Amino acid sequence: DTGVSQNPRHKITKRGQNVTFRCDPISEHNRLYWYRQTLGQGPEFLTYFQNEAQLEKSRLLSDRFSAERPKGSFSTLEIQRTEQGDSAMYLCASSKPGGGTGPYGYTFGSGTRLTVV
Amino acid sequence: KQEVTQIPAALSVPEGENLVLNCSFTDSAIYNLQWFRQDPGKGLTSLLLIQSSQREQTSGRLNASLDKSSGRSTLYIAASQPGDSATYLCAVRDSGYSTLTFGKGTMLLVSP
Repeated sequence: DTGVSQNPRHKITKRGQNVTFRCDPISEHNRLYWYRQTLGQGPEFLTYFQNEAQLEKSRLLSDRFSAERPKGSFSTLEIQRTEQGDSAMYLCASSKPGGGTGPYGYTFGSGTRLTVV
Repeated sequence: KQEVTQIPAALSVPEGENLVLNCSFTDSAIYNLQWFRQDPGKGLTSLLLIQSSQREQTSGRLNASLDKSSGRSTLYIAASQPGDSATYLCAVRDSGYSTLTFGKGTMLLVSP
């Protein structure tokens, strides 16, 4: 297992365009999380899935954001009509059943850096 | 609402020094606390996880302690090396929740 994989690593888009990011979690992890991190800040929670069910969404997740996890495997995060304020690092994490109680809790991916110009 | 604060925001030390990073949280009803390392422009690497019932965890030169009642955790790094240079993030998981609340991190620079 190679850990949590995120694609693309970098994305530059023009304001108003739609973007989609992908996250492939560790195969035996049934929980998948999306976080957003802006410069100089800690990551902030966006949403999480248990298997294919989206169990919680943050108030940060505006109507322009949508996340899916079909079949409980990989997940996609789409941002419609991007704005400059969406520029950030988008991090995906996964955890074992029980929500991160293993020795290393959550495992994060390398992130997708979005720049909206 | 849980709030996590990390002090100092930045720290610069010469190689070989022992150092302590501090993390405080406002709500002591936590499930666990996790320390992460983040290199510039990269994702997060988990270092240590402490369950609420534990007092400390050790991994190599790293030791993390937890005082839940006072809302504090410390990350102790022994014999620092230039390769330890990174941002260190503290995150808590509240009881009854699955998500993490992060501090803003401590940016560490270890000079040769």
